[in-house]
Amino acid sequence: DTGVSQDPRHKITKRGQNVTFRCDPISEHNRLYWYRQTLGQGPEFLTYFQNEAQLEKSRLLSDRFSAERPKGSFSTLEIQRTEQGDSAMYLCASSLIASSSYEQYFGPGTRLTVT
Amino acid sequence: DAKTTQPPSMDCAEGRAANLPCNHSTISGNEYVYWYRQIHSQGPQYIIHGLKNNETNEMASLIITEDRKSSTLILPHATLRDTAVYYCIVRVLGQNFVFGPGTRLSVLP
Repeated sequence: DTGVSQDPRHKITKRGQNVTFRCDPISEHNRLYWYRQTLGQGPEFLTYFQNEAQLEKSRLLSDRFSAERPKGSFSTLEIQRTEQGDSAMYLCASSLIASSSYEQYFGPGTRLTVT
Repeated sequence: DAKTTQPPSMDCAEGRAANLPCNHSTISGNEYVYWYRQIHSQGPQYIIHGLKNNETNEMASLIITEDRKSSTLILPHATLRDTAVYYCIVRVLGQNFVFGPGTRLSVLP
């Protein structure tokens, strides 16, 4: 399967702990996006990378959140000192700038539960 | 905020066409209309997109009104596996997607 993959698929953590999620985009896709989705809502944009550069961050991305894409391939999203309000599905997507339509391809998501 | 308005839910009989409306009355000339769907517990899946002309692919058809203020996604022969939340999004190429709550389509046997 050459789609976007995310790991882990599910994560349960206690409040105050740090968690890290990984996203592997479609090979050769130069843009990588992170979204958060809470129950009953559509995905909300968090941040995106073009190659290894982080070009935009949403105001939703508090100081406790950090994302990296060190070699322009996979990306990690870390949440420090988790809070119950961080419980959500975290989605990763990738796209190819050379594509005429810039459609984004999403991974299956990582569901985070903070207890 | 999302620039589109969609009904929160719709039902469709299996085998019939599902017509999902979307209003985007403030769309600008360089904004495209995109449709994605999200099946329960999966990531959103790209369906189709268009600028002015009607578009068709193996999944669906997209009908955009002449004034571009609204559009309809058509699933010609809905199956139970088409039960999902459908998102209509308008955006300039290269900009981020802003998702609204979408339309929850239930295909009934």
